[in-house]
Amino acid sequence: GNSVTQMEGPVTLSEEAFLTINCTYTATGYPSLFWYVQYPGEGLQLLLKATKADDKGSNKGFEATYRKETTSFHLEKGSVQVSDSAVYFCALSSGSARQLTFGSGTQLTVLP
Amino acid sequence: DAGVIQSPRHEVTEMGQEVTLRCKPISGHNSLFWYRQTMMRGLELLIYFNNNVPIDDSGMPEDRFSAKMPNASFSTLKIQPSEPRDSAVYFCASRTGGDGYTFGSGTRLTVV
Repeated sequence: GNSVTQMEGPVTLSEEAFLTINCTYTATGYPSLFWYVQYPGEGLQLLLKATKADDKGSNKGFEATYRKETTSFHLEKGSVQVSDSAVYFCALSSGSARQLTFGSGTQLTVLP
Repeated sequence: DAGVIQSPRHEVTEMGQEVTLRCKPISGHNSLFWYRQTMMRGLELLIYFNNNVPIDDSGMPEDRFSAKMPNASFSTLKIQPSEPRDSAVYFCASRTGGDGYTFGSGTRLTVV
């Protein structure tokens, strides 16, 4: 079946530091890959996505590249801000139903 | 567009009581999903509907859980009787084809 393995948290960084959150996946067929962000007390918001191999998703300074050869979709940001503090979820969808399968989430805290 | 609307935002109930969670999807979205989020198990898909018809309820943990979608603009998730281990945040999401999910803000359920 499908599964997503995400870097364990929590992650604590200083403002303007470089961020990487690792994500690898197992899926049948050709999944789409996503990063969702959850701010305290809120639902999940789509941060970025990629639908095929070598695609790069980007939004708000975050980037992730769909790597089929390593089955990875690592999230990166060159300079984090305090406002980026949240929980980040890697996810995939595949098959005819396109149901989302989530990783366990990574709590990011950015200190001023 | 008000997004996916869930009610109530918070629910505290005593063990053994019936709990009903409500969701109004985005107009025009033909798929609706119920997820449960806990620290131990992360985000789990409970059930999803396509055009108001339940397609996959394999994630529903027990017979105490039931979900309905009587029309395209309303769905309920019911727990009867509730137990302390049902305490979690329950999210509803809707989608119109492809991978365009929109999540509600969730219902935080506490069973004491």
